[in-house]
Amino acid sequence: DTGVSQNPRHKITKRGQNVTFRCDPISEHNRLYWYRQTLGQGPEFLTYFQNEAQLEKSRLLSDRFSAERPKGSFSTLEIQRTEQGDSAMYLCASSLDGGDQPQHFGDGTRLSIL
Amino acid sequence: GNSVTQMEGPVTLSEEAFLTINCTYTATGYPSLFWYVQYPGEGLQLLLKATKADDKGSNKGFEATYRKETTSFHLEKGSVQVSDSAVYFCALSDGGGSNYKLTFGKGTLLTVNP
Repeated sequence: DTGVSQNPRHKITKRGQNVTFRCDPISEHNRLYWYRQTLGQGPEFLTYFQNEAQLEKSRLLSDRFSAERPKGSFSTLEIQRTEQGDSAMYLCASSLDGGDQPQHFGDGTRLSIL
Repeated sequence: GNSVTQMEGPVTLSEEAFLTINCTYTATGYPSLFWYVQYPGEGLQLLLKATKADDKGSNKGFEATYRKETTSFHLEKGSVQVSDSAVYFCALSDGGGSNYKLTFGKGTLLTVNP
């Protein structure tokens, strides 16, 4: 169990640019989640995958955001035409199926928009 | 909708003091309840969980009991250490729709002084 891995750890970009983050879940976990955390707040749900299928997206996820999980393994989160309000920590988590299964989190990608 | 309310921080204690961090929740179904901890510069780690009423989760000297009648899941530790300094998040996972996304509280910053 190597844990959930996220890359990059930090991303600084200019407003209007596109960014992409990657998440590698724990290998046997079929569920993968993306959350966003802003300063002084708890993480907020963005979207989740059951294997390769994206089954729910939060209203927080505007049309500029897109997430994929090809082949049910790693996942990418892309933000197009970034805005100042996109600055946050983006967290990925994975779990086995079931509501009592704990989600294991990566260390996150901190996005800063200049 | 689901929500989690935690006591506001920051909480500052002396080493060996007793800790309580209050957490109450609102959920439509029968949630599982979790405490996560975030140490400085690190990702979220699961501290403990409880999946049904009257269950007690425990780990590293921390305990929390799932109280359905008061919709609470307060975190306690009898004797805190400097190394317990971190942000603590209460969270629930509601299986409604088989989503299991986590709803987090805002977090409580704990500082333990020697």
